[in-house]
Amino acid sequence: ETGVTQSPTHLIKTRGQQVTLRCSSQSGHNTVSWYQQALGQGPQFIFQYYREEENGRGNFPPRFSGLQFPNYSSELNVNALELDDSALYLCASSRQGRNEKLFFGSGTQLSVL
Amino acid sequence: DQQVKQNSPSLSVQEGRISILNCDYTNSMFDYFLWYKKYPAEGPTFLISISSIKDKNEDGRFTVFLNKSAKHLSLHIVPSQPGDSAVYFCAARRFSQGGSEKLVFGKGMKLTVNP
Repeated sequence: ETGVTQSPTHLIKTRGQQVTLRCSSQSGHNTVSWYQQALGQGPQFIFQYYREEENGRGNFPPRFSGLQFPNYSSELNVNALELDDSALYLCASSRQGRNEKLFFGSGTQLSVL
Repeated sequence: DQQVKQNSPSLSVQEGRISILNCDYTNSMFDYFLWYKKYPAEGPTFLISISSIKDKNEDGRFTVFLNKSAKHLSLHIVPSQPGDSAVYFCAARRFSQGGSEKLVFGKGMKLTVNP
């Protein structure tokens, strides 16, 4: 059974650029969630995808968008990067409707200069 | 407005002693509470959870207590081991509109267990 994998592990971008982060869900999981963890803070919910559709969103602007693919892998896209977007981005997978814990990947550390 | 609060940023204990990590929440709609442990350069890993209809859940050295009237939960680690040194996050789950599930995390607390 493979765990949640994320790529890349580190990324440096400049303000105004666009970025795409990728996530492969754990085997058997059909739901993927994305979280942003700023330095010294806990992870904050960005959005969740189930059956290839956004199924809940946190307090993030529309320039944060995502995709889920038929194999349940996912992408997080951020347009018009701002300095405050610098953070650790965590992907988590689970099985929808089950009272189960989320399984997190190791994250992508994004630095915006 | 922070709905899940971990008011102590750090805790240091001696190996073999008890570690008690505290967490407070404000939202009565939370139905499930979880503790996650995070090592540097790794994602959070699940430790233990408790449903809002229970007041205690135990798993080996780890016990979580829930006091719903006080909106407070705590994680007890007995005995503490140096390998337990990590950042611990308290998280609460609620269903959002559309049936999605999201976790609301506290800021975390760094536990150091000294040999």
